[in-house]
Amino acid sequence: SYELTQPPSMSVSPGQTASISCSGDQLGDKYPSWYQQKPGQSPVLVLHQDNKRASGIPDRFSGSNSGNTATLTISGTQPVDEADYYCQAWDGSSYVFGTGTKVTVL
Amino acid sequence: VQLVESGGGLVQPGGSLRLSCVASGFTFSDYEMNWVRQTPGKGLEWISFISASGRTKYDADSVKGRFSISRDDVGNSLYLQINRLRVEDTAIYYCARDSRTSAAIDYWGQGTLVTVSS
Repeated sequence: SYELTQPPSMSVSPGQTASISCSGDQLGDKYPSWYQQKPGQSPVLVLHQDNKRASGIPDRFSGSNSGNTATLTISGTQPVDEADYYCQAWDGSSYVFGTGTKVTVL
Repeated sequence: VQLVESGGGLVQPGGSLRLSCVASGFTFSDYEMNWVRQTPGKGLEWISFISASGRTKYDADSVKGRFSISRDDVGNSLYLQINRLRVEDTAIYYCARDSRTSAAIDYWGQGTLVTVSS
């Protein structure tokens, strides 16, 4: 079955750039999406089709995708961006979620 | 857009449950829908997909043969019938709407908790 791998955690200082990777076989062909989930809340769509921001998502969130790796970049990270982030792709007959990355802003 | 799940609860291993999701704020019959679950403290796991027409359904291997997704467009409702429950099915179950423009989930419900324990 298809798998998407993310680093378990990362820390970033306020105002700095956070880059979260998502790796999967030929992910560059699958137009992945990214979700943000804060504790006790449902996930929220951040990016879709590699790099298109969902409604209401600030422009400090951007994405790229090539080869086997997609990247979510948060520029000028703010304390409100502290959350779990998941990548996701459609594998023809199933959605696959990445393992998730906990982003700590400190 | 609102998605409101119900039907979760405590159930013994081997038991059954039927989860419901009532949709509002959009034309439910136009959208593909999904169920996604999350074990508390763990990651997201996609469970089932149903097309707008209801004719196409996909299930994750982990639930194939035990879970069944269905929809009622008259009642704007999505369902998940869960049979032969296992302890490892304990999770928050989310109803989730598919985006019409990309392979993504654009709206999620608040989730309903299913606990499988003796």
